[in-house]
Amino acid sequence: GQQLNQSPQSMFIQEGEDVSMNCTSSSIFNTWLWYKQDPGEGPVLLIALYKAGELTSNGRLTAQFGITRKDSFLNISASIPSDVGIYFCAGPMNRDDKIIFGKGTRLHILP
Amino acid sequence: KAGVTQTPRYLIKTRGQQVTLSCSPISGHRSVSWYQQTPGQGLQFLFEYFSETQRNKGNFPGRFSGRQFSNSRSEMNVSTLELGDSALYLCASSPPQTGTTTYEQYFGPGTRLTVT
Repeated sequence: GQQLNQSPQSMFIQEGEDVSMNCTSSSIFNTWLWYKQDPGEGPVLLIALYKAGELTSNGRLTAQFGITRKDSFLNISASIPSDVGIYFCAGPMNRDDKIIFGKGTRLHILP
Repeated sequence: KAGVTQTPRYLIKTRGQQVTLSCSPISGHRSVSWYQQTPGQGLQFLFEYFSETQRNKGNFPGRFSGRQFSNSRSEMNVSTLELGDSALYLCASSPPQTGTTTYEQYFGPGTRLTVT
């Protein structure tokens, strides 16, 4: 079935560094959603993308809807300690609108 | 506006028992979805309810069921619990769609179920 592959699985960075992560699929998606999950909490919607090529920002976060419609990218600039968490991409399966999630990218910030 | 609330937050059950989890969506949201999150499988879709009707269903056995009430609150039930049912169960609500479907979902904090 459709799957979303996120990479990297985990990242260890220094505070202040920029971060890039991506999400790919073998199928075309019409919507890409990016979520962040903190420990003990549910995922929080960060950015939603609806159009191929679209670039959307939310503060220090920027996400892009790939022009092939099979990938999406999330960048975080000037990382801070509260950016620690798991970042998920998600999107609706075309056939029946069920939302599927990638396995996540776990972001660690080194002291 | 209050967020999605889930009760209880933590639950410990033994194999063979059944469990009921509750979710109250954001006021005005009529769609409620349930997900199971485990370290191995990640977030997996269980089912979605809209206006008291199940609109979509994931690939889970019939032991997993749900319902939605007229006030949009939802419950999910798992019967004959197995060890593998230990997971974080997340509920998400979606705002009313006016025009284009947006697929935006707002999650609750989850119920951590441990089956022993």
